[in-house]
Amino acid sequence: DSGVTQTPKHLITATGQRVTLRCSPRSGDLSVYWYQQSLDQGLQFLIHYYNGEERAKGNILERFSAQQFPDLHSELNLSSLELGDSALYFCASSTSGTDDLAFGSGTRLTVV
Amino acid sequence: GENVEQHPSTLSVQEGDSAVIKCTYSDSASNYFPWYKQELGKGPQLIIDIRSNVGEKKDQRIAVTLNKTAKHFSLHITETQPEDSAVYFCAASIAGNQFYFGTGTSLTVIP
Repeated sequence: DSGVTQTPKHLITATGQRVTLRCSPRSGDLSVYWYQQSLDQGLQFLIHYYNGEERAKGNILERFSAQQFPDLHSELNLSSLELGDSALYFCASSTSGTDDLAFGSGTRLTVV
Repeated sequence: GENVEQHPSTLSVQEGDSAVIKCTYSDSASNYFPWYKQELGKGPQLIIDIRSNVGEKKDQRIAVTLNKTAKHFSLHITETQPEDSAVYFCAASIAGNQFYFGTGTSLTVIP
């Protein structure tokens, strides 16, 4: 168990809808990262938050947004969903931003 | 930005043989290189890492080597076992602000 909790584990929704994915980082970790993993693809970096502030953005679509709350949990909001957004979404956390990432078990999003 | 390339994409070995996965990176500022193992239906899990001030690190059957001059690093698994079968990802990080991942290697250990 990595200590990173992601909910829900599975999500099925229709095109055009909006969903929110939630992540609770490992105890003591201030950094939260979001990654997208499409079928047979690698891990695409979406966004990084540190102690509530956005630190870096990767290939995150404008339809996607994220935030990190004062209690350090994070949410990834995906709107106007398209079939191509179907993927595994992983949250990871780290202590200082220079240590290893601890990954959650992911949220599998299916857009139908 | 950083670009991490990983080879091979698939690798099959006989149980007991060694497996080697290689990665290259482009940004000389990268200073932290972790390796992750992802089993089916699970999130990636750190198995070993190396920092830029070290050339080699070993943990039981797993070792990682780093060549800063050539900008490449490798994962070596000796005496492979069926439970080593998984997808392995390399990554490069610049001060932990972003972790750039390779495209993954699917390792199959044949009993």
